[in-house]
Amino acid sequence: QKEVEQNSGPLSVPEGAIASLNCTYSDQGSQSFFWYRQYSGKSPELIMFIYSNGDKEDGRFTAQLNKASQYVSLLIRDSQPSDSATYLCAVPSGGYQKVTFGTGTKLQVIP
Amino acid sequence: SAVISQKPSRDICQRGTSLTIQCQVDSQVTMMFWYRQQPGQSLTLIATANQGSEATYESGFVIDKFPISRPNLTFSTLTVSNMSPEDSSIYLCSAGQGGALNTEAFFGQGTRLTVV
Repeated sequence: QKEVEQNSGPLSVPEGAIASLNCTYSDQGSQSFFWYRQYSGKSPELIMFIYSNGDKEDGRFTAQLNKASQYVSLLIRDSQPSDSATYLCAVPSGGYQKVTFGTGTKLQVIP
Repeated sequence: SAVISQKPSRDICQRGTSLTIQCQVDSQVTMMFWYRQQPGQSLTLIATANQGSEATYESGFVIDKFPISRPNLTFSTLTVSNMSPEDSSIYLCSAGQGGALNTEAFFGQGTRLTVV
């Protein structure tokens, strides 16, 4: 089993809809989780992190964490074409500051 | 957050040659990381660069092919040696900050390498 798993997509949503991106992880001891956005040809940029069970909201983004199910998700409300990118789930491992990335989910927001 | 400057941003190299990529962080960081991202793929960790000691390489990556230097707490280099077309990829430098609960990884802008 891979350490961090994501559906590769592409996930297509119409403009204004909610995009839901999912990630599962294998290490039960993982404490914190990160979502990165990567535009084509660019480096990843951090958009959210969460370490407590439940929801964390930041603008149009909500991260949801369920440690019992080893599941973390990212919701994007009122999706915009500018949100079209690959979203990478990341989990610190092997000494905390080493981060393992999922394969990423490609999101397409259709105008 | 840390600001990371990476250069070159891109290069086209002949097979059999070597390229050294530089990574400069605007603050002192304990750990720096080098990733490779092949076309359409996610990030694969090459090695962890620790100041004052040899780099720690992940499975499938060896020092002879990817020598790394870490002379101080703000700088690291990755060399891609004896390049082949299979080494064509984006190489990313990253620095970690924070403790166990809120470790974040910050990235340089990447080096797009094409080997011909």
